[in-house]
Order: sequence, then C-alpha cells, then structure tokens
Amino acid sequence: AQSVTQPDIHITVSEGASLELRCNYSYGATPYLFWYVQSPGQGLQLLLKYFSGDTLVQGIKGFEAEFKRSQSSFNLRKPSVHWSDAAEYFCAVGNQAGTALIFGKGTTLSVSS
Amino acid sequence: GAVVSQHPSRVICKSGTSVKIECRSLDFQATTMFWYRQFPKKSLMLMATSNEGSKATYEQGVEKDKFLINHASLTLSTLTVTSAHPEDSSFYICSATGQRTYGYTFGSGTRLTVV
Repeated sequence: AQSVTQPDIHITVSEGASLELRCNYSYGATPYLFWYVQSPGQGLQLLLKYFSGDTLVQGIKGFEAEFKRSQSSFNLRKPSVHWSDAAEYFCAVGNQAGTALIFGKGTTLSVSS
Repeated sequence: GAVVSQHPSRVICKSGTSVKIECRSLDFQATTMFWYRQFPKKSLMLMATSNEGSKATYEQGVEKDKFLINHASLTLSTLTVTSAHPEDSSFYICSATGQRTYGYTFGSGTRLTVV
C-alpha cells in the first residue's frame, strides 16, 4: 500500500538548534517527494520537492532534504531553527502521472527560546 | 510561479443550507484539481480528483451527492457542500496541477463552520 509515515507527532527544538524531521514512504512507482509547511488556519506552502537528480534538495527558508532510496526516506533538515519556523510540517509523495499526493500525518514543530 | 486562489477563506452557514467553494488557477491551466479535507490536528484527506470536463472521482467514503465538484474550465473548480450539517465543519483545501506545472499548487483553504 502507498503511504507516508512521519514518526514524530510533535517535536520541540530550541531556537538556533538544528532540526531534522523524519519522513518514510512506501510507494510502488518512482516517487515525487514534497515537504510542505502549514501555519494555523492557513494553506500549505511548498518548502521543497524532489523529482530526480541530486538527492540533496535545497528549499526555501533555509530548509533542505535528502532523498535516500535505500531507506525510503526523505528527511527534512535545517541547521538553525528560528521561532518563526514553528508550524505543522507535512511530507507527501506523488508521481509523474500527476495523481493526488499522499500525505503523512504531519509533525508539529514547536520552537523554544 | 503557479498560483491557486481559493474563496472564500472563511464561511459560516446554517445547517441545511449549501455552500460553494471556488478554486481558481490564476496563471496556468489546471488540468487536474484535487479537493482535500483537513480535520483539526489531522492530515489532509483526499476527497476527490477532478479533471477538466469530466466527472470527479471520489474517494471511498466521500458522499458525492453531498460534496458536489464541478471542473468546467481549465481554471476553475468548485466544491459545493449541499445540505450542510455541523459535522461538515472543517478546513477544505484545493490543489491543482497542470501540464506545464511541475508539481502541485495549493489554495489557501476554506474554513467552513456549520451552525
């Protein structure tokens, strides 16, 4: 079955500390992978995406993610977290055919001062 | 870049009435649009997929007679919640993809409250 797993429901990180949000997927076809961020009551903002090529992807707001096919993972990282990064983060998988994205359950990021 | 406009952002309606939510692609042709529903503290649940000019394909468990989806043009899809009830209260988000877009663009969402 196709699925996306985000093992961490809630993570708290100190401001300035590094961050890694985990994402594992199960997908039959070549996966297109995405990370989105959602602030309360808002829509989804795309942080970054991976379709092919370099497995280390740079995104907006200083985020990056690394695709590891052998581990079926696409973890999101940021070297230094800012208080404004507190939000809900969703990992999603799609395919070249443009079918609907499958989302993980999300990880809530809290940033402590 | 690709932009999707979703309206209204918030709506409150009385139980038994119908509400229409619009999703427009502003600068690209959206060959496919997706409608999601998001419960508080929950992930996005796909409700239906619509291709321009075709009937929407609904996910299992989604009532197609309650959630009417129309995708009559390449830039507009609508979701109508008919005979709304309090349990329909939720956050609804549309997403669009097109032949020339590389990925999926999301609307800003609609908070529906049925009283």
